[in-house]
Amino acid sequence: EADIYQTPRYLVIGTGKKITLECSQTMGHDKMYWYQQDPGMELHLIHYSYGVNSTEKGDLSSESTVSRIRTEHFPLTLESARPSHTSQYLCASSDWDRATDTQYFGPGTRLTVL
Amino acid sequence: SQQGEEDPQALSIQEGENATMNCSYKTSINNLQWYRQNSGRGLVHLILIRSNEREKHSGRLRVTLDTSKKSSSLLITASRAADTASYFCATDARGGGNKLTFGTGTQLKVEL
Repeated sequence: EADIYQTPRYLVIGTGKKITLECSQTMGHDKMYWYQQDPGMELHLIHYSYGVNSTEKGDLSSESTVSRIRTEHFPLTLESARPSHTSQYLCASSDWDRATDTQYFGPGTRLTVL
Repeated sequence: SQQGEEDPQALSIQEGENATMNCSYKTSINNLQWYRQNSGRGLVHLILIRSNEREKHSGRLRVTLDTSKKSSSLLITASRAADTASYFCATDARGGGNKLTFGTGTQLKVEL
């Protein structure tokens, strides 16, 4: 079982609210990722980080923002939630020093915006 | 368009049968990985095959890779009801900065 945690697991919130999805890992991994996944669909990379103070946008455009102030912590923030943000958000991490990029996933946060 | 596309989209088999899933991709890769996702959960890494490998085994899993056809297959032998899940291939594209691109997934249902 991977040591990567996400909170909350489920969140139902009204339009216009600011939300932060938490992700933390205890494996000391430099690389962290956020994916968005609609039910039964593929994962889309929305943000990634190669280390502290490093953040990049992924392949899928997202209105969310991320920060990486500590190695173990990679929170995702939506300033003003909208129904179109309803989805599952998955956080993952991997070890920069390894030659292969095996990613370890958290359990996900299922977000519903009313 | 997606780097990885999988077929079939869904597969239903009886316990004890073998399950085969296929993945096609578009660009040159460093490696290809298979992940499993139980409903509503995160993904779990199953197996990785490098671009210079053609076949790899892990327990009841067998993965093949054909870089000339840009395709891979995952075989689960002697399936069990607990194998019911979605299975995704993910490619680490050459020059892609070690980011993974996930396929569309195959939903496998193993019935008793």
